[in-house]
Amino acid sequence: GAGVSQSPSNKVTEKGKDVELRCDPISGHTALYWYRQRLGQGLEFLIYFQGNSAPDKSGLPSDRFSAERTGESVSTLTIQRTQQEDSAVYLCASSRGGNQETQYFGPGTRLLVL
Amino acid sequence: GQNIDQPTEMTATEGAIVQINCTYQTSGFNGLFWYQQHAGEAPTFLSYNVLDGLEEKGRFSSFLSRSKGYSYLLLKELQMKDSASYLCAVSSNTGFQKLVFGTGTRLLVSP
Repeated sequence: GAGVSQSPSNKVTEKGKDVELRCDPISGHTALYWYRQRLGQGLEFLIYFQGNSAPDKSGLPSDRFSAERTGESVSTLTIQRTQQEDSAVYLCASSRGGNQETQYFGPGTRLLVL
Repeated sequence: GQNIDQPTEMTATEGAIVQINCTYQTSGFNGLFWYQQHAGEAPTFLSYNVLDGLEEKGRFSSFLSRSKGYSYLLLKELQMKDSASYLCAVSSNTGFQKLVFGTGTRLLVSP
């Protein structure tokens, strides 16, 4: 498809389990972002990838969170030993890079930790 | 610190005009974005302002005053489908587009 895609769309897991979320950016977009949106709150920046440069991980809330991206393609966000406070919508966005380029968002993964 | 303020909720009538305000205090400024987000869906881009003034795009306009740390989104000829959350986001970093989002304004358009 032409847009950003994410999978799974919904994920229910038990506290303490690990989860892996996937993002497929728009083809040709060099920049990829992960955000978290808790219920009733704004989007929180988590991590940024640009081409082959080292990612900016300044938004990751704890060392249980990690993300990888291979080149300029798919990215995975991994949450280890999930906690109930991790329940949120995880949104991925991509852009052509550059600080004035529009970010295009995927539909998100709704994570519920029981 | 970084702070973006928007009203939590607004209501308006179909056909009317509504203005959604956003004030910001960020450590840097490299542009302000407005996104629309329907319930359960991804945010979609509406507008981008980096210079002071009004940007008009169809029924939607966005205004920026950098000296006041202030922006508004103006929606004209409201339609029922405009019921959504409107997110104000500031690009606060020059290195890359690190967006700081407000909590969003939920707009309800009634007949």
